[in-house]
Amino acid sequence: DQQVKQNSPSLSVQEGRISILNCDYTNSMFDYFLWYKKYPAEGPTFLISISSIKDKNEDGRFTVFLNKSAKHLSLHIVPSQPGDSAVYFCAAPGGSGTYKYIFGTGTRLKVLA
Amino acid sequence: NAGVMQNPRHLVRRRGQEARLRCSPMKGHSHVYWYRQLPEEGLKFMVYLQKENIIDESGMPKERFSAEFPKEGPSILRIQQVVRGDSAAYFCASSSKGGQGGNQPQHFGDGTRLSIL
Repeated sequence: DQQVKQNSPSLSVQEGRISILNCDYTNSMFDYFLWYKKYPAEGPTFLISISSIKDKNEDGRFTVFLNKSAKHLSLHIVPSQPGDSAVYFCAAPGGSGTYKYIFGTGTRLKVLA
Repeated sequence: NAGVMQNPRHLVRRRGQEARLRCSPMKGHSHVYWYRQLPEEGLKFMVYLQKENIIDESGMPKERFSAEFPKEGPSILRIQQVVRGDSAAYFCASSSKGGQGGNQPQHFGDGTRLSIL
């Protein structure tokens, strides 16, 4: 039972263009979402988060959009840079507390120079 | 990922041996979480600890796995009598608040890659 889904395992984007990574969730009780970036042989690095009281959060080149009615969030990276090439995970705290993160399976982004 | 320190980075064990994975949280963090990542999958929650207390171990296999976070020293994830299926990357995370303590992101270490021969 995958409560957080990332349906695109990979994405290739030209340098300078926009990267859009998508994430869907099934549990309408989720009220906080996070994006992590992961390089090979490293741990996930926190990127950006959004609370369900907002529909957008922006941090530099990274913007996360939340559509609660569609149970969908997306991460926009603009402009994309080669150093952005990594695996991106969306996550949501689930369960009885806010600590048990439920991760999607990740999207591998490749930014082409 | 600076701050959360995990060791060893790579650990090779034969079937039936014990594996001990260590995690020192970020300075000032008293909440520790362990996750496991199998190949081509996302991270799966295993256990949540505070100093000297296991808060939630609902993601831990019932047998062979245990975790502790003593008053002094790192958190330890222990796997006894390892089997091939235990091969995975094990990540530790820490936060300054946990449970219902607000939306504080968890910060991850670089993981321990466990290989079972």
